[in-house]
Amino acid sequence: QITLKESGPTLVKPTQTLTLTCTVSGFSLTSPGMGVGWIRQPPGKALEWLAVIYWNDHKRYSPSLQSRVTITKDTSKDQVVLIMTNMDPKDTGTYFCGHVVSAGIHIDFWGQGTLVTVSS
Amino acid sequence: QSVLTQPPSVSAAPGQKVTISCSGSSSNIGTRYVSWYQQFPGTAPRLIIFDNSQRPSGIPDRFSGSKSGTSATLVITGLQTGDEADYYCGSWDSSLSGVFGGGTKLTVL
Repeated sequence: QITLKESGPTLVKPTQTLTLTCTVSGFSLTSPGMGVGWIRQPPGKALEWLAVIYWNDHKRYSPSLQSRVTITKDTSKDQVVLIMTNMDPKDTGTYFCGHVVSAGIHIDFWGQGTLVTVSS
Repeated sequence: QSVLTQPPSVSAAPGQKVTISCSGSSSNIGTRYVSWYQQFPGTAPRLIIFDNSQRPSGIPDRFSGSKSGTSATLVITGLQTGDEADYYCGSWDSSLSGVFGGGTKLTVL
């Protein structure tokens, strides 16, 4: 059974750096054809792709956030980490991680999400 | 503003059929698969259609998807009150990033 769980701070100040961790189980981060992606959703708004990292360590970023976002994985810990710099109140929202099927680039399993508020 | 375009809302009566459209371009839907997600308030999205028209196990056949050119469509037949949710389409873009639609709120009258 595939599960993912996000963890990290619930409150960050403007200009600070956000670090979120996605801990996975039920699959390997090196299984061919899979990836782990990060998606966010501001309150009352639409989903937004942030980044994805694949089994072969290839990474893809949203063009609009590429300068601020870094995604890495630690296979020994079954974790994928998202780092977002220079946080702004507009970055407030729920951050989800998901199991990505690279062939069709869809997300078949999602974490429950974690709400991050950016405020001084 | 989302890369893929969906109607903000649709509505229909129980038992009826509803169609949700998703419009993109040749850099995403036109050359890539489309997926659809259902999201209830306060919960994570759930995959209901992948690879344009495939249903994951456990998704009833009342949900169907199709794609033509740079647009995709989600059809829900035999509407139930429990179908009331937000629906998002998703795809991949040649900019090497995933993209979503703005979401459609389904109201079952």
